[in-house]
Amino acid sequence: TQLLEQSPQFLSIQEGENLTVYCNSSSVFSSLQWYRQEPGEGPVLLVTVVTGGEVKKLKRLTFQFGDARKDSSLHITAAQPGDTGLYLCAPAADAGNNRKLIWGLGTSLAVNP
Amino acid sequence: DTGVSQDPRHKITKRGQNVTFRCDPISEHNRLYWYRQTLGQGPEFLTYFQNEAQLEKSRLLSDRFSAERPKGSFSTLEIQRTEQGDSAMYLCASSFDRFEPQHFGDGTRLSIL
Repeated sequence: TQLLEQSPQFLSIQEGENLTVYCNSSSVFSSLQWYRQEPGEGPVLLVTVVTGGEVKKLKRLTFQFGDARKDSSLHITAAQPGDTGLYLCAPAADAGNNRKLIWGLGTSLAVNP
Repeated sequence: DTGVSQDPRHKITKRGQNVTFRCDPISEHNRLYWYRQTLGQGPEFLTYFQNEAQLEKSRLLSDRFSAERPKGSFSTLEIQRTEQGDSAMYLCASSFDRFEPQHFGDGTRLSIL
């Protein structure tokens, strides 16, 4: 079983502030996905990171995969109310095994106008 | 390209009744996953299929739960003799294979009276 820890679990900030959320594990990931989920909807895929040290940008969102591929972070610049939601990370299954598909609790972000 | 669709979006039923949910994955996706999610939490894995074969079931999936994917396309999740604790969002996701990201439907919200 592959355990994921996401921090912080809750975050409430004002519009225009910057923030970083984290996804950590003791296991090595072959790749990791970040999702955002709004109330009443399913999670929507934001990005997949694959290579250790990789940095991907999606407008004001910057995703980083740790060099050892055990952790990842999501940085949001100048947060807007539309960024409000539950941010989830999840690993892809690796070749040669069927790891239990365990998700973190997510980071619930509220951006106040 | 149509996404993952789930039906119904909402289900309200009395304790003790049986309910069945349907998931239509993205057409070329071989893997199909079922999750349960309660408010403010990340998805909890229930089971997944590779084509029509059910490869893994979580311990969360009691004897009252059964899932099928008879022709390797759509899937159904049935809950028999529903209990209060079954109230949750039931999410379905699909992926092309074990390495590709999962794409989610918008879920079925189950409320047990």
